[in-house]
Amino acid sequence: AQSVTQLGSHVSVSEGALVLLRCNYSSSVPPYLFWYVQYPNQGLQLLLKYTTGATLVKGINGFEAEFKKSETSFHLTKPSAHMSDAAEYFCAVSEKTSYDKVIFGPGTSLSVIP
Amino acid sequence: DTAVSQTPKYLVTQMGNDKSIKCEQNLGHDTMYWYKQDSKKFLKIMFSYNNKELIINETVPNRFSPKSPDKAHLNLHINSLELGDSAVYFCASSQVLAGELFFGEGSRLTVL
Repeated sequence: AQSVTQLGSHVSVSEGALVLLRCNYSSSVPPYLFWYVQYPNQGLQLLLKYTTGATLVKGINGFEAEFKKSETSFHLTKPSAHMSDAAEYFCAVSEKTSYDKVIFGPGTSLSVIP
Repeated sequence: DTAVSQTPKYLVTQMGNDKSIKCEQNLGHDTMYWYKQDSKKFLKIMFSYNNKELIINETVPNRFSPKSPDKAHLNLHINSLELGDSAVYFCASSQVLAGELFFGEGSRLTVL
């Protein structure tokens, strides 16, 4: 069964600094990988996804992530943090099986310091 | 026009009561889900329906009963509410199984 871990339940960065949110997954078959963002009192929205093909994936709001099979990782980065990036970020994995489902990691809360 | 809408947004109720949450999507998706988000923000899948057929039923108490009258609607009924049921319940839909999920804004249930 697939699973996701996110290192660091809370990450703080200064405005303008690099954002790095870590995600490692476990999957018995080639995975589909996702990053979602949740702003306060809202639902989740997709930032980016990896299914097949290019391992460096670009998403909305300047975020990108790289799929590294050898490291079973899918870390999320953004070169320069904005105040508006403060939110909860979830890494998720799914795999094509008889019972397809998307499994979420525990989330990382990102704070941006002015 | 909201893609995935849930009602109500907030529910406050007493232990032992029964409550329902409704969800509708206008994206034309075949698959709909219920997720539960606890106080630590952890998201856990509860149920999934594909074209009105139940395909995922996680280890959820029998007090929770989903119902999909058509593929655009998925409701969740909860009987005999307990304190531990307090959470935010999210409805979501996807075009393909286990693909990109489109979430509603959530229904915050508080059991007193």
